Amino acid sequence: DIQMTQSPSTLSASVGDRVTITCRASQSIVNWLAWYQQKPGKAPKLLIYKASTLESGVPSRFSGSGSGTEFTLTISSLQPDDFATYYCQQYSSFSKTFGQGTKVDFK
Amino acid sequence: QVQLQESGPGLRKPSETLSLTCTVSGGSISSYYWNWIRQPPGKGLEWIGYSYNRGSTKSNPSLKSRVTISVDTSKNQFSLQLRSVTAADTAVYYCAREEKPPPYFLDYWGQGILVTVSS
Repeated sequence: DIQMTQSPSTLSASVGDRVTITCRASQSIVNWLAWYQQKPGKAPKLLIYKASTLESGVPSRFSGSGSGTEFTLTISSLQPDDFATYYCQQYSSFSKTFGQGTKVDFK
Repeated sequence: QVQLQESGPGLRKPSETLSLTCTVSGGSISSYYWNWIRQPPGKGLEWIGYSYNRGSTKSNPSLKSRVTISVDTSKNQFSLQLRSVTAADTAVYYCAREEKPPPYFLDYWGQGILVTVSS
């Protein structure tokens, strides 16, 4: 299986901050990477696919970049609704795997 | 708008079979790939497997021998069976849609159902 490693595990930030989350793959996944947002008690919500394509309806303050083995999710100006846990997911291999998650909480 | 809804027993005893159904509304089940994902309490997401209405299925190698996923196009539903469960199978189980032939990303998810394995 392709292992996905996110950093940091927890990130404390304030409204208005620029936030960056990193996801590393154990081997090249080209750009077959998705990002999801999950709030407590809710299902994950697709934010970005193909590493940098914003899903319809997702605010433009979210952006993704990277290729190969290293990827980033950036929130340009953190909003109150953005405090959540974020997961990356590779779909380069049939066995999809997720990162362990990054929780963004209040500083 | 596509909506998915999981249903099934919320409690299983060790060694029993976990059986869940996902009902799809707002679109046909025939043209897409249907996945199950689980999340143990306080932990991350684990992909379980997918199925397609023409019989194509694939599951996580770590669970493969215990998993069956099938699609019922007449009911617009798909299902998960996980055999010989243990406490380690306690989790919130999600169903999700994969728009294109796997591997691909998951664009629509159900709200999830908690299944507890306990004697």
